[in-house]
Amino acid sequence: DIQMTQSPSTLSASVGDRVTITCRASQSISTWLAWYQQKPGKAPNLLIYRASSLESGVPSSFSGSGSGTEFTLTISSLQPDDFATYYCQQFYSYPWTFGQGTKVEIK
Amino acid sequence: QMQLVQSGAEVKKPGASVKVSCKASGYTFTGYYMHWVRQAPGQGLEWMGWIIPKTGGTKYAQKFQGRVTMTRDRSIDTAYMELSSLRSDDTAIYYCARGPNSYWTDYWGQGSLVTVSS
Repeated sequence: DIQMTQSPSTLSASVGDRVTITCRASQSISTWLAWYQQKPGKAPNLLIYRASSLESGVPSSFSGSGSGTEFTLTISSLQPDDFATYYCQQFYSYPWTFGQGTKVEIK
Repeated sequence: QMQLVQSGAEVKKPGASVKVSCKASGYTFTGYYMHWVRQAPGQGLEWMGWIIPKTGGTKYAQKFQGRVTMTRDRSIDTAYMELSSLRSDDTAIYYCARGPNSYWTDYWGQGSLVTVSS
């Protein structure tokens, strides 16, 4: 199985900060990657697919980049609604696998 | 508006089976894939497989092969996920999630908590 490793596991930031989360794949996955946001007690919500395509309705403050084995999710200016846990997911090789998550906390 | 409404919480004994339902509304059920993902308490996400509602075709994660069965009833726009031979480590929230394809998912149900305990 392809292992997805996110860093950091927890991130403390303030409103207005620029935030970057990294996701590394154990082997090349081209751009077959998505990012999700999950708030406590809620289901995940798709943010980015194919590494850099913004899902409809998602604020443009979110962006994704990368290919191969290293990917980043960037929030250009952190808003109060953005405090949540973020997961990357690969869909290059079955089984689809997720990173362990990055929790973005209020500093 | 689009909705995926899942069945309620279940408590099962080890060795039993559970069947979770996911009723779709607000979109064409047969025009999308339906994925199933689970999340153990306080843990990350684990993809279990998908079903194509139009054809009934399925793909399961190897880990669950032989224990999971995904089905659908097109007449009532409902997908099902049945997991058998339950163990305590199957305790989790089980989500159905619509996918525009076999890869990513763009809309999730509210989740169904399955607790496995003797």
